[in-house]
Amino acid sequence: DAGVIQSPRHEVTEMGQEVTLRCKPISGHDYLFWYRQTMMRGLELLIYFNNNVPIDDSGMPEDRFSAKMPNASFSTLKIQPSEPRDSAVYFCASSTQGTAAKNIQYFGAGTRLSVL
Amino acid sequence: KNQVEQSPQSLIILEGKNCTLQCNYTVSPFSNLRWYKQDTGRGPVSLTIMTFSENTKSNGRYTATLDADTKQSSLHITASQLSDSASYICVVSASGSGSARQLTFGSGTQLTVLP
Repeated sequence: DAGVIQSPRHEVTEMGQEVTLRCKPISGHDYLFWYRQTMMRGLELLIYFNNNVPIDDSGMPEDRFSAKMPNASFSTLKIQPSEPRDSAVYFCASSTQGTAAKNIQYFGAGTRLSVL
Repeated sequence: KNQVEQSPQSLIILEGKNCTLQCNYTVSPFSNLRWYKQDTGRGPVSLTIMTFSENTKSNGRYTATLDADTKQSSLHITASQLSDSASYICVVSASGSGSARQLTFGSGTQLTVLP
């Protein structure tokens, strides 16, 4: 398996534009997580899905952020409209369990977003 | 409030030397503690996972220890290599509903191994 695949690797956009980040989890994994990482705040969990259903979105910062998982092999994180403070690295991770003991999350390489 | 504190914030060592990274937590009720390695420009990779009943776990040259009484964990790296240069992140999971919201992340220790 190629692991968790994220696209694009880098995204530069202007304030106010819509941004869509994409993720393909590892086949057979039924949990998918979206994280944001910044120097100031470190890693933060935004939202996670189980069997394509959003379970906990309490980490989503604002209504400008939305995430979908239309099927088991694809998820998107959308920011509309984007703001400079959204600049960060966004990671997608997948696992066969949630946060149960011994569960391992496998991370993608991340999307580095810069909002000018 | 659940917190995870890591120290030092950054560390520079010479290749071949050993080092120890620290993680103190106040997460309760405790479920498990994970150490991740994150190379620059890459996603975190799991090194070890320890539950309450485990006080040591090894993964090659990496050995993690856990003292659930003092709520401290350490990650010991033996005979460091240049490829060990990375950020090491401690993540503690609280038990309960099983929601991923129960995860508390440390801010990481940036390790640099010099030749």
